[in-house]
Amino acid sequence: DTEVTQTPKHLVMGMTNKKSLKCEQHMGHRAMYWYKQKAKKPPELMFVYSYEKLSINESVPSRFSPECPNSSLLNLHLHALQPEDSALYLCASSQDRTGGRTDTQYFGPGTRLTVL
Amino acid sequence: AQTVTQSQPEMSVQEAETVTLSCTYDTSENNYYLFWYKQPPSRQMILVIRQEAYKQQNATENRFSVNFQKAAKSFSLKISDSQLGDTAMYFCAFMRGIQGAQKLVFGQGTRLTINP
Repeated sequence: DTEVTQTPKHLVMGMTNKKSLKCEQHMGHRAMYWYKQKAKKPPELMFVYSYEKLSINESVPSRFSPECPNSSLLNLHLHALQPEDSALYLCASSQDRTGGRTDTQYFGPGTRLTVL
Repeated sequence: AQTVTQSQPEMSVQEAETVTLSCTYDTSENNYYLFWYKQPPSRQMILVIRQEAYKQQNATENRFSVNFQKAAKSFSLKISDSQLGDTAMYFCAFMRGIQGAQKLVFGQGTRLTINP
């Protein structure tokens, strides 16, 4: 089973709102990722968690705050967003094997975020 | 830094035809992974095929196969007996083969349309 789930599917929020995106996987993967995808563009990496610790932050503005409560869950907390933050937010997970091997990333269906 | 280039923004073929999507990449690494993902209008990013750079044999998955030319840094995807369900945006992606979770570097994508 290579399923990654994301909630909600759609989210509309004002610039003063606080909201959260949720991602869940039950494949035993130890690495989880947040990507942002604008229309007709490829995904761009935002954050990587490895073994529940933040390992990569691609200079993302502080209005995006990631959280990894446990190895199966990844949240993205949103606060004071701008209209240009409207995009598809994709979560992915992968094995983070020891011994130097990385593995395939499996993606969730995404959350379509609109900031008014 | 690694870069991935997909030179065909759009392609269109008739159902049952064979189509080849091009991808080139630039890296100084010797150990890495290459992927093709498809993203249909439903927006879920789906793994199509994966290739390890140290393997000389080209990867195949049913109707999907790759032509991996390491020296030329080329990684094309061939879809045989194309079906309407193959209509999607196809992204070529690169991942470094070093230890730990790594980001995917995507090309700009090729929008493929299969016509009945």
